[in-house]
Amino acid sequence: DVKVTQSSRYLVKRTGEKVFLECVQDMDHENMFWYRQDPGLGLRLIYFSYDVKMKEKGDIPEGYSVSREKKERFSLILESASTNQTSMYLCASSLFPGRLEKLFFGSGTQLSVL
Amino acid sequence: GQQVMQIPQYQHVQEGEDFTTYCNSSTTLSNIQWYKQRPGGHPVFLIQLVKSGEVKKQKRLTFQFGEAKKNSSLHITATQTTDVGTYFCAGIQGAQKLVFGQGTRLTINP
Repeated sequence: DVKVTQSSRYLVKRTGEKVFLECVQDMDHENMFWYRQDPGLGLRLIYFSYDVKMKEKGDIPEGYSVSREKKERFSLILESASTNQTSMYLCASSLFPGRLEKLFFGSGTQLSVL
Repeated sequence: GQQVMQIPQYQHVQEGEDFTTYCNSSTTLSNIQWYKQRPGGHPVFLIQLVKSGEVKKQKRLTFQFGEAKKNSSLHITATQTTDVGTYFCAGIQGAQKLVFGQGTRLTINP
């Protein structure tokens, strides 16, 4: 089975801190995604990547950046955390480049910014 | 922007009753996917529909894709407590962009 691992289940940070959320997948998937999940809003796409060193903005990229130096790892960076970035962050991967198949999600990181 | 609207937001049923959640898009979708998220868990892929008017079944779950490929539904017959969770639809719009609905949270009274 595909395994998508997020480095932390819970994280508490202070306003203004730089925050790194790490995601690793073990099935050689080409595509990786970062979503945030908020009650009543569903899952909203922050950034995605179809290849190493490649990134594309999703629907809500403001305040975030990403890094994909290796195929298996996709990092989400909050340059200066703010309280409105308190949320559940979900990483996902899928197999085929150029074609969107089912997503495999990690367990999520619940980030609280105080 | 592109939107996928899902209703209802919440549904509470007695065990054994049926349940339906609906998904509507402002634009034509190439495919639609459905996911289930158990309480405290992460979304898990259920199914993908591709063809106009397509109907697929998984045991007590029936998935439909509208003729115009702008709407979809998930129907659960005779709910069981294991069906508890939030159900999301996700439409593929344009080039490889998956847009999720807001989800329907299903709770069940045993």
